[in-house]
Amino acid sequence: DSGVTQTPKHLITATGQRVTLRCSPRSGDLSVYWYQQSLDQGLQFLIQYYNGEERAKGNILERFSAQQFPDLHSELNLSSLELGDSALYFCASSGEGLAGGRGYNEQFFGPGTRLTVL
Amino acid sequence: DAKTTQPNSMESNEEEPVHLPCNHSTISGTDYIHWYRQLPSQGPEYVIHGLTSNVNNRMASLAIAEDRKSSTLILHRATLRDAAVYYCILRRTSGSRLTFGEGTQLTVNP
Repeated sequence: DSGVTQTPKHLITATGQRVTLRCSPRSGDLSVYWYQQSLDQGLQFLIQYYNGEERAKGNILERFSAQQFPDLHSELNLSSLELGDSALYFCASSGEGLAGGRGYNEQFFGPGTRLTVL
Repeated sequence: DAKTTQPNSMESNEEEPVHLPCNHSTISGTDYIHWYRQLPSQGPEYVIHGLTSNVNNRMASLAIAEDRKSSTLILHRATLRDAAVYYCILRRTSGSRLTFGEGTQLTVNP
């Protein structure tokens, strides 16, 4: 158990809909990362938040957005869903210090949310 | 991010050592070498990381070539539970994202 929790475990929805995925990081971790894993694209970094602020953006579509709340949990919002958005979405957390991202800190991954768009 | 190259798949027998190679010829001086693995139906998990010297932990050993252009993850005695996709990742000291390649699918035979 990594200490990172994600809800829901599974989500089935229709094209055009909007969903929210939730992540609770390990206690005390300030950084939250979102990754998408699909069969054709592999594991891809989407976005990172650090203590409530966006720190880095990867291959995140404009239809997707995220935020990190004062209690450090994070939500990933996916809208106008398409069939190709079907994937596993992982959240990870790490405990970078106040000085910012130190490249060798390990990331702890949650169990993922499997999104199926029909 | 600098690129890594790994074999698509490898096979091992239970209780034998496994050497998983990774090439990273364009590595920069500030890149750390990280290894993560993903067990079936689970999120990735950290295995080990290093910069220049060889590293050991309870899970594995990491052997880094002197020129740092390649590295090898060593599982000393493979178990069935070690069957997973192993990812070799370069990570800048100033950045925090993980850039996953295709990894090596390790099969462990009983």
